[in-house]
Amino acid sequence: AQSVAQPEDQVNVAEGNPLTVKCTYSVSGNPYLFWYVQYPNRGLQFLLKYITGDNLVKGSYGFEAEFNKSQTSFHLKKPSALVSDSALYFCAVRASNTGNQFYFGTGTSLTVIP
Amino acid sequence: DGGITQSPKYLFRKEGQNVTLSCEQNLNHDAMYWYRQDPGQGLRLIYYSQIVNDFQKGDIAEGYSVSREKKESFPLTVTSAQKNPTAFYLCASRTTGVGTGELFFGEGSRLTVL
Repeated sequence: AQSVAQPEDQVNVAEGNPLTVKCTYSVSGNPYLFWYVQYPNRGLQFLLKYITGDNLVKGSYGFEAEFNKSQTSFHLKKPSALVSDSALYFCAVRASNTGNQFYFGTGTSLTVIP
Repeated sequence: DGGITQSPKYLFRKEGQNVTLSCEQNLNHDAMYWYRQDPGQGLRLIYYSQIVNDFQKGDIAEGYSVSREKKESFPLTVTSAQKNPTAFYLCASRTTGVGTGELFFGEGSRLTVL
């Protein structure tokens, strides 16, 4: 069975500090991994994805994520947090061999404190 | 501009009434999806469609119905059989061609049952 876990419901970080939002996954076959951000009462916006190749993926707004196959993790990172980064973040996985369904974590609410 | 349009943004319904949420995309995507979002539960898949005139149930299809008569359109009907329909509903689409398309989301429709 495919699944995604985001172990932290809430992450607080001071503005200017680095941030990490954690994600682990379980999937049969090779994973395609995604991060999305959601602002209140809005749809999800795509940030970045890992498909194959370099384990460090760079995305929108200065975010990056590192794929770790042995730990089945795909943590989202940013070197210096902005107050405007405060939002709800979702990790998602799709199995390369089953194709069609995406499985989402329960989301992590990030608050950047000025 | 290309994108996904969901309407209405807010909808109020009395118990026992069916309601239909609209989702239209002009991205020329083959696959379309409906998700339900509840606080603390992430996104749960209701239905998805890979091609016109074909669709599959997701994890929580009971009490919902869909149609896919045109590539651009994937309306969702919330029937009176859905026991707890108050939620935020998100429509998404993606390409199924070569590559590993991420999901593109609409802005969502918030349904409240009075």
